[in-house]
Order: sequence, then C-alpha cells, then structure tokens
Amino acid sequence: QVQLQESGPGLVKPSETLSLTCTVSGGSISTYYWTWIRQPPGKGLEWIGNIYHSGRTDHNPSLKSRVSMSVDTSNNQFSLKVSSVTAADTAVYYCARERGTSTWLFDYWGLGTLVTVSS
Amino acid sequence: EIVLTQSPGTLSLSPGERATLSCRASQSFNSSYFAWYQQKPGQAPRLLIYGASSRATGIPDRFSGSGSGTDFTLTISSLQAEDVAVYYCQQYYSTPPTFGQGTKVEIK
Repeated sequence: QVQLQESGPGLVKPSETLSLTCTVSGGSISTYYWTWIRQPPGKGLEWIGNIYHSGRTDHNPSLKSRVSMSVDTSNNQFSLKVSSVTAADTAVYYCARERGTSTWLFDYWGLGTLVTVSS
Repeated sequence: EIVLTQSPGTLSLSPGERATLSCRASQSFNSSYFAWYQQKPGQAPRLLIYGASSRATGIPDRFSGSGSGTDFTLTISSLQAEDVAVYYCQQYYSTPPTFGQGTKVEIK
C-alpha cells in the first residue's frame, strides 16, 4: 500500500521560503507523477504543481515563478519550495500521487501538513 | 483555465435518502477526464469517481457518477452516516487541473 507523508516547518515568516518534503513508502518514486495540492483553511483545493522522477516539473501559473520542486529518488522523496510567502499561502499542503495512466488524477494522498505564514 | 461550479453548497438529508450533487464546467471537455473526491472532516481527500462514472477501488456501489460536456452529477443512492463529508469535483483534461468549491453533505 502506497503511503505519503509530508514534513516541514509549520510556521514560516512573511517574505521567506516555505519548504516541504514528501516521503513515499510502499512503492518506488521512480514511476508516476507526484504532485502538491494545497487547501487554505475553510476553502477548496488548489493544484500547485507536479514532478516526474526524471525531474520534469509543471506548476500552476497562479503561483507565477515562486514554486520550485525537486525529487530525490535515492530516498524516495520529493520536495516543494514556495518563495516570498504571504498570509495567502497559509494552507494545509498535501502531497499526492497521480494515477498511473491519468495525469492530474490523484489516487493516493498524504495526511497533509498545515503551514501558517505569520511573523 | 476550466472553472468548476458546484451546487448546492450544502445538502442536508435524512439517512437512506438519495443525494444528488452537481458540478458545472465553464467549458465543455471530454468526460473521461472528470473526477469526484470525498473529504471527511480532518482527513485528506479520497478519490471516489474517475472518468465521470468509474468507481475507484473500494468505493461502495451506492456512489455513482454521470454526465458529459459541461454538466456532471454525483449520486449517493442511499445516504449513510459515514457519507458526511465535503465532495469536490475535478477536471484533469487541461492544465491547470481544477477543483470545484465543494458541496457539504450533512445528515438531517
């Protein structure tokens, strides 16, 4: 059974960089696309971007150029960085797997981690 | 991007009743790229339906999906207490993939 677990600081100061890691267990990261999704408190879901094991990435234009992602196949992890954060970036951040034959369809999710942007 | 609008915002029904949730897209697309997710309080979303009408692994058959073009429906044939959740629709036809704002299902 594939499991995903997000980790990283729960509090980030405005204008700084948010950094999260997702650790995948029960399966290899060296297949599928892996994605980040966020959910502001009491609101809906927003796709942030995805990464393939080759390092190829795509991201939501709404976040402009503030997003970067990386993959560490040796540790079965992938990571997210969001720069120049503001209070609007406060959200529960989820990592998820994209179902094998369908890009952007999410079949396994982590439990999520709340990141609060505040001084 | 494709905007998805869900209705109603909240649905309050008695156990055993039929629940009908709607999702309308801002433009028509291939229904093969449409999904529904269930999010229970304090949990991550769970994939329910993909390809507009195919149930994901382990999903009870009281959940069914239908629709095409711009109008899609999720039906819960007989509402159970454990179905209390927020339900989100999603399109994965074009980038960026987008979600509806959610429909909250409550037990009356």
